Amino acid sequence: DAKTTQPPSMDCAEGRAANLPCNHSTISGNEYVYWYRQIHSQGPQYIIHGLKNNETNEMASLIITEDRKSSTLILPHATLRDTAVYYCIVRPSNSGYALNFGKGTSLLVTP
Amino acid sequence: GAVVSQHPSWVICKSGTSVKIECRSLDFQATTMFWYRQFPKQSLMLMATSNEGSKATYEQGVEKDKFLINHASLTLSTLTVTSAHPEDSSFYICSARDPRSPTDYEQYFGPGTRLTVT
Repeated sequence: DAKTTQPPSMDCAEGRAANLPCNHSTISGNEYVYWYRQIHSQGPQYIIHGLKNNETNEMASLIITEDRKSSTLILPHATLRDTAVYYCIVRPSNSGYALNFGKGTSLLVTP
Repeated sequence: GAVVSQHPSWVICKSGTSVKIECRSLDFQATTMFWYRQFPKQSLMLMATSNEGSKATYEQGVEKDKFLINHASLTLSTLTVTSAHPEDSSFYICSARDPRSPTDYEQYFGPGTRLTVT
């Protein structure tokens, strides 16, 4: 799986948009970008994934650059409950293998 | 979405004893489950891949005789930490892939089990 680079931590004010960047410059053509998050002392939770088009669901938006070397996860209106570690993972879809978690970004949403 | 449960959610055991952690897929049959370990302020590290009806595949550096994995049914995988020591204290998390899903994002995580060895 391609390696990803994320900032170790970020702060965001409640109600504002949280933009979490991820660099994946060595991504291959068949690799997807997945985002998971882990709230303290809980199991990881799937957020969103994409290949090359921007994606949006009820939780977040995923913006992937045209060259696919980086992406941004956007939480449009962050709440205190969004405080968590966010993991960007790059891998082929349907590979059947475990997820390779990097260090992620620790997002702190403040009142 | 699909649900994966773990039991117990936390356990305290004495050094030298063994402890069993269960991982269940509640509304789907999982041919493959994964076991992760997470130390404080660190990321999840894959320990082993558990396949129903066959031996687990362990990651490098994980002692298979110490961390016994049994995946005897399509909805249950167990991890037994044998002769536990304080350094085995960690947060153990399982995940399961829903085989009905065409993509890998349908991998569901359990809530984790906090093991403390005294």
